[in-house]
Amino acid sequence: QQQVKQSPQSLIVQKGGISIINCAYENTAFDYFPWYQQFPGKGPALLIAIRPDVSEKKEGRFTISFNKSAKQFSLHIMDSQPGDSATYFCAAPFNAGGTSYGKLTFGQGTILTVHP
Amino acid sequence: NAGVTQTPKFQVLKTGQSMTLQCAQDMNHEYMSWYRQDPGMGLRLIHYSVGAGITDQGEVPNGYNVSRSTTEDFPLRLLSAAPSQTSVYFCASSYSYSGRINNSPLHFGNGTRLTVT
Repeated sequence: QQQVKQSPQSLIVQKGGISIINCAYENTAFDYFPWYQQFPGKGPALLIAIRPDVSEKKEGRFTISFNKSAKQFSLHIMDSQPGDSATYFCAAPFNAGGTSYGKLTFGQGTILTVHP
Repeated sequence: NAGVTQTPKFQVLKTGQSMTLQCAQDMNHEYMSWYRQDPGMGLRLIHYSVGAGITDQGEVPNGYNVSRSTTEDFPLRLLSAAPSQTSVYFCASSYSYSGRINNSPLHFGNGTRLTVT
């Protein structure tokens, strides 16, 4: 069963535009929501993460928005650049209750293409 | 630091053959895990280990075995390969499974692309 549902599956954005990727989760006990970025031929790498006690976290051009009541969180990439072209995964702890930062369940992935 | 090293990078097997995917990390991480990546399915957890001598099943463990005799190594064994095991396999490690250390991200290797014919 997919505990984290991610959309869209693919996204094409022009350089300078805003990229938005959404994730929905089911288990309200989840307490850690990371986003991972993966370039072709490489393993995923942590991009940014949020805990549910805040509604937004920003790191440079990347922002996570968190809506606890809707059980949704999203990644916003401002001023998207061709170098941002990659696959993005949202994730949540594999088990409900307690922190388990290393044991994650992932969304289906979004392939982002930023055209110059 | 090398981080997480996976070998081989590519492998082709015939149905029924066995093989071991190697994973080693040099960061003294407690937690190690194996994921498989398939189009449209994201990354799915196969097996994981919270320390030497301790392993457990993830989301899709059938057809795979693991062991953890040292902190550094976490090999994944396919005893009798099937075409359904064609995938890209990623090994990952992190400092703390229990979350005692905040923001303990997963560090991934660069994957092994396995094709079973």
